[in-house]
Amino acid sequence: EVQLVQSGAEVKKPGESLKISCEASGYIFSNYWIGWVRQMPGKGLEWMGIIFPSESETRYSPSFQGQVTISVDKSISTAYLQWSSLTASDSGMYYCVRTGHYWGQGTLVTVSS
Amino acid sequence: DIVMTQFPDSLAVSLGERATITCNSSQSVFSSTNNKNLLAWYQQKPGQPPKMLIYWASTRKSGVPDRFSGSGSGTDFALTISSLQAEDVAVYYCQQYHSILCNFGQGTKLEIK
Repeated sequence: EVQLVQSGAEVKKPGESLKISCEASGYIFSNYWIGWVRQMPGKGLEWMGIIFPSESETRYSPSFQGQVTISVDKSISTAYLQWSSLTASDSGMYYCVRTGHYWGQGTLVTVSS
Repeated sequence: DIVMTQFPDSLAVSLGERATITCNSSQSVFSSTNNKNLLAWYQQKPGQPPKMLIYWASTRKSGVPDRFSGSGSGTDFALTISSLQAEDVAVYYCQQYHSILCNFGQGTKLEIK
């Protein structure tokens, strides 16, 4: 059974860095694209970017290019989404999604002073 | 990027009546490789991750009630709920997966009239 398990909720201050994770199981991790989706409070779903673990080939949606970094660690079948300097507008729910429409449970990120 | 536009933004329908949501893509999402439209429909209830209802534009995911149906091809698609039930109150999203950046529509909020 394909499963994507995300790391827990985070509360951060503006300017801090953050890396959230998505651990995959039930399939060959390297063979499938994994994407990240943002949902700001009360808003819709936004596709942020996607990575192919086998070669770490990464594509970002224009709105997120330069704002976040997507990476993987194939040795532990885990994908990451990271920020170097958070702002309040980064607050929201973040989902990892594997091709074939498998979703993680979401990670809530709250950025507040 | 493929831009997805849903109509309407919100919809109120009486119990037992038909509800239809439309979705337009800025370019065709038909794949000549497999002769399928790479378009999915999701349902999201408050506090929950999105749940896929329909893929390949018209294929109902296992376990989804048959009152949900998808139609359309190329750039114009629709999700129809044939007889609205109280548990169908949710926000519905279309998503294209023809492009590597799998953008969503803005969402349609469905309520009971």
